[in-house]
Amino acid sequence: GESVGLHLPTLSVQEGDNSIINCAYSNSASDYFIWYKQESGKGPQFIIDIRSNMDKRQGQRVTVLLNKTVKHLSLQIAATQPGDSAVYFCAEINTGNQFYFGTGTSLTVIP
Amino acid sequence: NAGVTQTPKFQVLKTGQSMTLQCAQDMNHNSMYWYRQDPGMGLRLIYYSASEGTTDKGEVPNGYNVSRLNKREFSLRLESAAPSQTSVYFCASSEVWEENQYFGPGTRLLVL
Repeated sequence: GESVGLHLPTLSVQEGDNSIINCAYSNSASDYFIWYKQESGKGPQFIIDIRSNMDKRQGQRVTVLLNKTVKHLSLQIAATQPGDSAVYFCAEINTGNQFYFGTGTSLTVIP
Repeated sequence: NAGVTQTPKFQVLKTGQSMTLQCAQDMNHNSMYWYRQDPGMGLRLIYYSASEGTTDKGEVPNGYNVSRLNKREFSLRLESAAPSQTSVYFCASSEVWEENQYFGPGTRLLVL
């Protein structure tokens, strides 16, 4: 899962396996959550979002799960491919228009 | 359709110098944002413009000013650069406030 600090959490998965990246958030007033992918030297890229009135949302090969009880968000990537190697981070936005971004998890896909 | 473009890509400044980071989007988005990204930290919002004609402070606005020149362009100005402003700066835009932000490639700024 994500944490604040100098070293990113890392996750290595075999090509074709499923990946699960976790994110804990702290503000119970946050009502909108986004997952981003950032490749080295590039800007973040939107993957999927979810509002607090939902528990699950699916996209193409990706699923986001939201557990408001324990303030936990996860991103599941199905059939992980080498092109999925990147840093993934979550963002939470609360009703006061405050944005908080996690530091990210570095995903490495092993061919 | 270029998306979000930023200039320059790289810049080295001396302490006390000023500069403007340029950002433009061609997606007709209403909202635009400036972030900085530092090692070991998540993106932090500097300023944003929820719609053309408005700008507001984000989490870390000190030392920066912004101008929403028109719907396409949103610039970030450092009046007197400090080493603490060494960072990667990202501009983003979205059609609807806060949702699905598209990011530019970033400007890498080094202040000596």
